[in-house]
Amino acid sequence: GDSVTQMEGPVTLSEEAFLTINCTYTATGYPSLFWYVQYPGEGLQLLLKATKADDKGSNKGFEATYRKETTSFHLEKGSVQVSDSAVYFCALSPNSGNTPLVFGKGTRLSVIA
Amino acid sequence: GAVVSQHPSWVICKSGTSVKIECRSLDFQATTMFWYRQFPKQSLMLMATSNEGSKATYEQGVEKDKFLINHASLTLSTLTVTSAHPEDSSFYICSARDSKGGYNSPLHFGNGTRLTVT
Repeated sequence: GDSVTQMEGPVTLSEEAFLTINCTYTATGYPSLFWYVQYPGEGLQLLLKATKADDKGSNKGFEATYRKETTSFHLEKGSVQVSDSAVYFCALSPNSGNTPLVFGKGTRLSVIA
Repeated sequence: GAVVSQHPSWVICKSGTSVKIECRSLDFQATTMFWYRQFPKQSLMLMATSNEGSKATYEQGVEKDKFLINHASLTLSTLTVTSAHPEDSSFYICSARDSKGGYNSPLHFGNGTRLTVT
């Protein structure tokens, strides 16, 4: 079945460092891909999305490009801030019916000043 | 943007009692809502798919008689944890997709409900 694999955390970075969180997927067909962010004690917020190959999603300085050839959707940010500390989830939607998202296990990011 | 309101945000109950959690889509209609459970420092586990006007579809291993789901309208789904026990303590999160958005549109999540059973 469909699955999402993302890098294990936790990831600890200094403020203004470059961030990459790897995400790869396995799916039949052409899924849509998403990154969600969860701040402590809260639900998930959509960070960015891409619905077809070579699309780049971007929001709040974060970017991810849908790479069909490598089945990847890595999350990047050029300069992280303390306020970016959260758990990041990569997810896919199979695009076949009104189905739930398939989530990766999440990567906890801690940014220190 | 699309907003999903989940209530209550936290609840403490005694073992053996029941707790109802509400999930509302505030500015869109959702024929389908999804209920997830999240254990500390872990990913989201899909519990069930809530379908407006019909029975919910439960994932394997989720007791349907314990976790009662009702989706009475296009904007409201409820999850009732019946006869709660300490092992039911968890973070429950609902999500919904705009019925007009198509299958590749994102899910919108509520802020979750922290349930503690004493």
